[in-house]
Amino acid sequence: GQNIDQPTEMTATEGAIVQINCTYQTSGFNGLFWYQQHAGEAPTFLSYNVLDGLEEKGRFSSFLSRSKGYSYLLLKELQMKDSASYLCAVRDQASGTYKYIFGTGTRLKVLA
Amino acid sequence: DSGVTQTPKHLITATGQRVTLRCSPRSGDLSVYWYQQSLDQGLQFLIQYYNGEERAKGNILERFSAQQFPDLHSELNLSSLELGDSALYFCASSVQQGHNEQFFGPGTRLTVL
Repeated sequence: GQNIDQPTEMTATEGAIVQINCTYQTSGFNGLFWYQQHAGEAPTFLSYNVLDGLEEKGRFSSFLSRSKGYSYLLLKELQMKDSASYLCAVRDQASGTYKYIFGTGTRLKVLA
Repeated sequence: DSGVTQTPKHLITATGQRVTLRCSPRSGDLSVYWYQQSLDQGLQFLIQYYNGEERAKGNILERFSAQQFPDLHSELNLSSLELGDSALYFCASSVQQGHNEQFFGPGTRLTVL
């Protein structure tokens, strides 16, 4: 079946580094996405990985290991505004068309 | 502001009723996606349209239907509403059907009483 697991909540301190893990099971993997969602707002795109390795974009980096069904989002130099939910999502092509499966999100609290 | 617009912002209705949610994609985007977000289930992919044609179906109930019109705006129709349909409904758009970055609208909050 299709499944995505990520921690429910994490807490970190302003200025620190935090790593949010995501494991997935899917039969037709076609890419992994990370989105940021502030409470009451729409998700915003952060990153996309389809090949193994690290993608860096400013303070945010995302890593993928397809053989392990594993990804992480790394947030550096944490700021208070980074307090949000982080959604891991996989695009699956097993049925011949793209489908998007989202995890339930990791709620990150950044403390001063 | 993502450039995706959704109306209405809030909708309150009763069980058994039917509602229509509307979405206008970003200028130039051909693909539209619909998602449902409830507290207990997270973000669920419902359906995708590309240039007027249905391209993918997720966990969309038979009571729900959608379409994309020639001007590329899309509507999600929810009928025989149940209490459990109360959720935030997001529309997203992208340039092409498999494009990696989706831009989400602000959502429509549906409350079924």
